[in-house]
Amino acid sequence: DTEVTQTPKHLVMGMTNKKSLKCEQHMGHRAMYWYKQKAKKPPELMFVYSYEKLSINESVPSRFSPECPNSSLLNLHLHALQPEDSALYLCASSQELQGTSLAKNIQYFGAGTRLSVL
Amino acid sequence: AQKVTQAQTEISVVEKEDVTLDCVYETRDTTYYLFWYKQPPSGELVFLIRRNSFDEQNEISGRYSWNFQKSTSSFNFTITASQVVDSAVYFCALSRGNNQGGKLIFGQGTELSVKP
Repeated sequence: DTEVTQTPKHLVMGMTNKKSLKCEQHMGHRAMYWYKQKAKKPPELMFVYSYEKLSINESVPSRFSPECPNSSLLNLHLHALQPEDSALYLCASSQELQGTSLAKNIQYFGAGTRLSVL
Repeated sequence: AQKVTQAQTEISVVEKEDVTLDCVYETRDTTYYLFWYKQPPSGELVFLIRRNSFDEQNEISGRYSWNFQKSTSSFNFTITASQVVDSAVYFCALSRGNNQGGKLIFGQGTELSVKP
């Protein structure tokens, strides 16, 4: 089973709203990722957590705030977003951050949350 | 710097045709990993294959096959006897090895349309 579950599937929010995206996996993976994908573009990495600690922040604006409360759950808190933040937000997980011959760095993705900021 | 180039933006074929998606990468690392993902219209990225830099064996999985050539820094993907369900955007990606892992560097993607 390689399932990563993201909720909600769709989200519409105003620029003054506060909302959260949720990502869950029960594969025992210790690395979790947030990506942002605009239409007709590849995914862009936002954040990486390894063993529940923030490992990579790709200079993401502070209106995006990640949280990893436990090894199975990853949240992305949204506040005061701009219309240009409208995109597909993808969550992924892998066994480990680093690659080895045992293929522990394969990232498995959820179906994403389609966010529209009005 | 690491870079992945998928020169084909869009490909359109008729069902049962064979199609090859090209991927060229750049890296100075000796240890690295290459991936192919499929993204159907539903949005989820589906993992297809991972190759590490020390394993140049080609691989076949059903109608899918991959050709990894370090000499030309290419990792091409061939679909044999394409089907309508193969219609999707396909991404080639690179990940650094050793202690540099975590970030997938994606190509721009190739949108494959298979017509009945």
